[in-house]
Amino acid sequence: GAVVSQHPSWVICKSGTSVKIECRSLDFQATTMFWYRQFPKQSLMLMATSNEGSKATYEQGVEKDKFLINHASLTLSTLTVTSAHPEDSSFYICSAFGGVEETQYFGPGTRLLVL
Amino acid sequence: GEDVEQSLFLSVREGDSSVINCTYTDSSSTYLYWYKQEPGAGLQLLTYIFSNMDMKQDQRLTVLLNKKDKHLSLRIADTQTGDSAIYFCAETLTGTASKLTFGTGTRLQVTL
Repeated sequence: GAVVSQHPSWVICKSGTSVKIECRSLDFQATTMFWYRQFPKQSLMLMATSNEGSKATYEQGVEKDKFLINHASLTLSTLTVTSAHPEDSSFYICSAFGGVEETQYFGPGTRLLVL
Repeated sequence: GEDVEQSLFLSVREGDSSVINCTYTDSSSTYLYWYKQEPGAGLQLLTYIFSNMDMKQDQRLTVLLNKKDKHLSLRIADTQTGDSAIYFCAETLTGTASKLTFGTGTRLQVTL
């Protein structure tokens, strides 16, 4: 139980395009999902907290117009990187809060490369 | 503010015990976690401890918490090559029950 999936697992796109990443909790409902960004050999940085049916709460320094988050249902949150640039290349990981242990369960991550 | 520190690297021989350490600064932590991340993958929750506990054991894993010194450790008994990964400690703070603050990560290398 408590499985979280992400799609796609990796994506390569041209500079200026937008990329959508999906995060799904497969066997539990998650009122709260989180989006993290991880640079090579570094820790996870929280980007935003997403609550079902309401606007996401962004961490300081994260552009809300650049990273659009939608949490339309209790099992799905999406992160859209708008007008992506090479500096947006990173590993994006989502997590969903809930499950039996009432903790965060992490997705496998999405590697984004912007050319 | 929140600051969670870990040593960067640890190398152990297969079969030995590994001890990964973590220090944190915020005394209002409620839960402390250990996660494992293999290359190119997400995070796997290994274990967690509530802040009013001193120790928790789960099979090969033992977590020790010294709240006075704000020090957390993860001991892996009989370390195997499959344990090679990056290990992150993380904390949640009172009043922010689900927001995690991660440590810097420790890369564990298991040699034959």
